[in-house]
Amino acid sequence: DSVMTQFPLSLPVTPGEPASISCRSSQNLLHSNGHNYLDWYLQKPGQSPQLLIYLGSKRASGVPDRFSGSGSGTDFTLKISRVEAEDVGIYYCMQALQSQVTFGGGTKVEIK
Amino acid sequence: QVQLLESGPGLLKPSETLSLTCTVSGDSISNSDYYWGWIRQSPGEGLAWIASIYSSGNTYYNPSLKSRVSISVDTSKNQFSLRLTSVTAPDTAMYYCARHMGSSWGFEVWGRGTLVAVSS
Repeated sequence: DSVMTQFPLSLPVTPGEPASISCRSSQNLLHSNGHNYLDWYLQKPGQSPQLLIYLGSKRASGVPDRFSGSGSGTDFTLKISRVEAEDVGIYYCMQALQSQVTFGGGTKVEIK
Repeated sequence: QVQLLESGPGLLKPSETLSLTCTVSGDSISNSDYYWGWIRQSPGEGLAWIASIYSSGNTYYNPSLKSRVSISVDTSKNQFSLRLTSVTAPDTAMYYCARHMGSSWGFEVWGRGTLVAVSS
């Protein structure tokens, strides 16, 4: 199974400033079809997780363009260009290579 | 608008079998573009995928739970279900059902979750 490691575990942010979360996979998530099977989710307090980014860099429907995903293979990054107060919560990366799914441990984003 | 609603027992005793149902509205569970899955989250912990199913009946399981889990779909009721046998305290969690894209496996619609506690 692919082990997903996220860092940092906690990220204090200032509204209006950029923020970045990293995710590392123990196996190569680049499929032979050219897609990286890596997603990003945000779980706001008291809510179900919501999909932000799929296939490494594609924004899900309705997700603001301040969120972007990048990376390939084993190293991935989620960037928020300008953090807003509503972006607080726990961010998870998830891999789905070969129809087996594992999540990272999460990064808690809070306002300074 | 697609909505998913989990239903289940809430409280179980150790060794019992957990049965959960997810009722889908706003979409057909036979939609060939999507798979349907279960994910759980233990109190204060992260997310763990349990199983997924396609409307054709193809199933996918987390290897760590495979011996105790089965997932099924009832197209006539537009529902899919999860069975987890021989539950113990570590199975206490919020259980979510979700729809995910067949092309990417991104879980793009989630239910609100149902809390299941295992206690004697």
